Amino acid sequence: NAGVMQNPRHLVRRRGQEARLRCSPMKGHSHVYWYRQLPEEGLKFMVYLQKENIIDESGMPKERFSAEFPKEGPSILRIQQVVRGDSAAYFCASSQWSTHEQYFGPGTRLTVT
Amino acid sequence: EDQVTQSPEALRLQEGESSSLNCSYTVSGLRGLFWYRQDPGKGPEFLFTLYSAGEEKEKERLKATLTKKESFLHITAPKPEDSATYLCAVQAAGGYQKVTFGTGTKLQVIP
Repeated sequence: NAGVMQNPRHLVRRRGQEARLRCSPMKGHSHVYWYRQLPEEGLKFMVYLQKENIIDESGMPKERFSAEFPKEGPSILRIQQVVRGDSAAYFCASSQWSTHEQYFGPGTRLTVT
Repeated sequence: EDQVTQSPEALRLQEGESSSLNCSYTVSGLRGLFWYRQDPGKGPEFLFTLYSAGEEKEKERLKATLTKKESFLHITAPKPEDSATYLCAVQAAGGYQKVTFGTGTKLQVIP
């Protein structure tokens, strides 16, 4: 029973490039969440999606960041024109229902040079 | 706004030395309180969900308890492999509510 999968595990981008982070939820889970974690800081909620719908994007910066969870395929977090401040670990989680515990993937570590 | 405060920030224990981690929370009606373990460079691993005051859950050397204002994660006779950061999170009741995480307690168990 595969857990939450994320790829790539490590991503290096130069300032101004685009970063695409992918997340495949656990089997049977239709709720996906994205979080950002900076060193020595807690997990910060970014966005919550269901298939083809963004339910809550209150934690996502209004500019340069977008997320989708298409009918087919993984959820994608897209960061355009990356800046050094975007360097962080990005975690995806999934749950069976929005009121259930979330299970996390291994994360994507983004480094902007 | 929901708030979660964990203490201490870091804890160093000798192997076999039992202790407790604290999670204080403020939420307008609790749906659930979650404990996770996070190892360096990895994603958080789910441990427990607690729903109401007085509830307790156990897993190996870990026991989580819940009151109306705080939760404790008791670690009995810890081993070096228990070393990790332990995260507490809350979710408010009432339809969809986002989960709010604390900053964690970094536990080091020394052989």
